[in-house]
Amino acid sequence: GESVGLHLPTLSVQEGDNSIINCAYSNSASDYFIWYKQESGKGPQFIIDIRSNMDKRQGQRVTVLLNKTVKHLSLQIAATQPGDSAVYFCADRGRGGSNYKLTFGKGTLLTVNP
Amino acid sequence: DGGITQSPKYLFRKEGQNVTLSCEQNLNHDAMYWYRQDPGQGLRLIYYSQIVNDFQKGDIAEGYSVSREKKESFPLTVTSAQKNPTAFYLCASSRVGNQPQHFGDGTRLSIL
Repeated sequence: GESVGLHLPTLSVQEGDNSIINCAYSNSASDYFIWYKQESGKGPQFIIDIRSNMDKRQGQRVTVLLNKTVKHLSLQIAATQPGDSAVYFCADRGRGGSNYKLTFGKGTLLTVNP
Repeated sequence: DGGITQSPKYLFRKEGQNVTLSCEQNLNHDAMYWYRQDPGQGLRLIYYSQIVNDFQKGDIAEGYSVSREKKESFPLTVTSAQKNPTAFYLCASSRVGNQPQHFGDGTRLSIL
């Protein structure tokens, strides 16, 4: 089946640097994308989402970029802080499907060094 | 505060035993979901429900059962037929349409 994947399983950055986490998706019919943050022993926390009619969306210290041509999604975190250390997941939903069918990637572990 | 509450946080199952995981939400969301998370893997959908008294199988429903008698509640039973139940179980809820799913803090199930 089609799945969402990640280029790098781990990412280590210095505090204050910008972080970029990448995600490749394979379903060309996907119309909705979400980024989640998961800290150890907790459930995923919603960060930001983007619909397929957009190519960029900004939140507080985070930006999601969507490139539908190459089916690539990225999450940029500005001025990364130690509290940003976590596993980050992307997920996508195929167009026309019901809300249930989100496909999750395996996640990228972000480590922020002080 | 509005949110999703899962209980218990840790649960142990004996051989041949059924166990039930609780999930309650006060977000007034119509849809609710159960996922299983194993180390190094993404979340896999067990069951979902988009309306009271209705639910659908996800990708890995075998050995599990659910009910949706109330909008706020979506309990998951791990039956003795599930031969590899050790995992982190996550419940989520959402509005319908292109809306994010919001998660509880999970129940970690282990075998005695």
